[in-house]
Amino acid sequence: NAGVTQTPKFQVLKTGQSMTLQCAQDMNHNSMYWYRQDPGMGLRLIYYSASEGTTDKGEVPNGYNVSRLNKREFSLRLESAAPSQTSVYFCASSFDRSFGDQPQHFGDGTRLSIL
Amino acid sequence: AQSVAQPEDQVNVAEGNPLTVKCTYSVSGNPYLFWYVQYPNRGLQFLLKYITGDNLVKGSYGFEAEFNKSQTSFHLKKPSALVSDSALYFCAVRDDNYGQNFVFGPGTRLSVLP
Repeated sequence: NAGVTQTPKFQVLKTGQSMTLQCAQDMNHNSMYWYRQDPGMGLRLIYYSASEGTTDKGEVPNGYNVSRLNKREFSLRLESAAPSQTSVYFCASSFDRSFGDQPQHFGDGTRLSIL
Repeated sequence: AQSVAQPEDQVNVAEGNPLTVKCTYSVSGNPYLFWYVQYPNRGLQFLLKYITGDNLVKGSYGFEAEFNKSQTSFHLKKPSALVSDSALYFCAVRDDNYGQNFVFGPGTRLSVLP
């Protein structure tokens, strides 16, 4: 049972470089999310996709873009990385965002360091 | 606005003793409340949720949580802690109004000492 798969697991970038974080889920979920986790701050929502073909900003979208490629895949792009974007990034999915009683399923994260 | 607080950064408990991890919340409507656990280098795993009904909800690995509407709290409990319960615990809340996203607390690190 793969669940939510994130690639890569680790990445080191230089300031100004770009990269795309990949996420795929095999649970036929409609909704997908990108979070960042920083010490003492919990998880903060970057972007989400309520359903295939839609994306919306979360709490901290600046410096990021997303693409919902299909129902399974939701990617996060850093166009010009900054040291403030050093963090652990988590992708999650849920059956349908409109049903708030459904839990989210998380990948194991991408640990990103920007020098 | 929605918010959630976990007042303790760290909770230490001896193996075999009961444990409590605290969570308080603020929403404008009725709350959907969740607890997740995170082990090192892993993503968050769902433990239990409160949506409606019985104030005491039971979840995975022997954990339970008590919803208290008057105190706006949803504390996580376990009668007898195991060393393997040592992890980071997150409380999350969402207002039951349509269109809201979940808000996560800052996390509480639980250490169970042998």
